[in-house]
Amino acid sequence: NAGVTQTPKFQVLKTGQSMTLQCAQDMNHNSMYWYRQDPGMGLRLIYYSASEGTTDKGEVPNGYNVSRLNKREFSLRLESAAPSQTSVYFCASYRVGAEAFFGQGTRLTVV
Amino acid sequence: DAKTTQPNSMESNEEEPVHLPCNHSTISGTDYIHWYRQLPSQGPEYVIHGLTSNVNNRMASLAIAEDRKSSTLILHRATLRDAAVYYCIIDSGTYKYIFGTGTRLKVLA
Repeated sequence: NAGVTQTPKFQVLKTGQSMTLQCAQDMNHNSMYWYRQDPGMGLRLIYYSASEGTTDKGEVPNGYNVSRLNKREFSLRLESAAPSQTSVYFCASYRVGAEAFFGQGTRLTVV
Repeated sequence: DAKTTQPNSMESNEEEPVHLPCNHSTISGTDYIHWYRQLPSQGPEYVIHGLTSNVNNRMASLAIAEDRKSSTLILHRATLRDAAVYYCIIDSGTYKYIFGTGTRLKVLA
């Protein structure tokens, strides 16, 4: 039982490059989330998926796209990376009325 | 969505109780109050949650005001390993799980 697994753990991109952050959970949770955390700041919600087949914008969705591939997997795509997207990205899954579980994060640097 | 207000930082001595406050004056009757903490260089981890009654678990206690407009996370005996950022979140059932800025707890040896 791995919980929430994020790949990769570290990534360096050049401005304008694209990449996809992968997230998978094995807890059969319906809801999944992507957050970003800038140095010294709290977590900000980028996108979330309440259930398979649905996605919604969070607080800071600009510059990102998401795909809920199936119940287990929720990916985050940066189409044209910018230095302002340098951050630590966390994926989470949640069962309503219970608790959320977080991955260990992806540390992304855009140069 | 109900907003939360927490102090930016607090300090506590080791082995003493810590009371971390959270204001959520716009909370609705069916909204749950959740607490998470984030240790350095880690993802957030669940601490406790409740609706109306006070709650206890092995990590902490949650005291909820009678009008539900505020709550307090209680760590009964702080240890150095409890130094973290503590987040109070209101779950309104909309699936939009918003974190605030949290309270950075410093534990003094």
